[in-house]
Amino acid sequence: QVQLVQSGAEMKKPGASVKVSCKASGYTFTGYYMHWVRQAPGQGLEWMGWISPKSGGTNYAQKFQGRVTMTRDTSISTAYMDLSRLSSDDTAVYYCARAADGDKNWFDHWGQGTLVTVSS
Amino acid sequence: DIQMTQSPSTLSASVGDRVTITCRASQSISTWLAWYQQKPGKAPKLLIYKASSLESGVPSRFSGSGSGTEFTLTISSLQPDDFATYYCQQYNSYPLTFGGGTKVEI
Repeated sequence: QVQLVQSGAEMKKPGASVKVSCKASGYTFTGYYMHWVRQAPGQGLEWMGWISPKSGGTNYAQKFQGRVTMTRDTSISTAYMDLSRLSSDDTAVYYCARAADGDKNWFDHWGQGTLVTVSS
Repeated sequence: DIQMTQSPSTLSASVGDRVTITCRASQSISTWLAWYQQKPGKAPKLLIYKASSLESGVPSRFSGSGSGTEFTLTISSLQPDDFATYYCQQYNSYPLTFGGGTKVEI
């Protein structure tokens, strides 16, 4: 069965960077785009961007351009999301989410989420 | 960016009720809309895509309709497991955007 397992909770200081991982299993990793979505405490969902595990190509939301980097390691079926210059506004649960049908822009499987807390 | 507005933000209902949630887009998105269910502390779960297509494994009491700018998610007979928050999401254009959510509570 499809599983997306994310790395554990992180606590960071303002100005630092965080890297969240998402290990995929149960399907062909390179066959499906991976998206990242975040959710601030008590708030709604916010799309950050996607990466094509096959090509490494990316598409980031303009809001995060220059601060986010999505990468992958196909040898271990893992996607990564790196967010820099953190502020308290970045405190959120970060989810990886698999694109349905390979490259569609809705999400059929989600990771369990990684809480990133930014505090001095 | 396309703004997605859900109503109501909170809905009180009882087991067995028919429940309807509305999602409005700030511009036409054809039928490029998905619905998700989220329970506290859990990741969202896909229910509906392309406005009305039921995801595999999702109970048939869930249905979606609409096109253009107005969409609805209907639960025909609310079950105890359905108390959750529901989000719509447009994928007509980037950035992909979500509605603010509708919490269905007892």
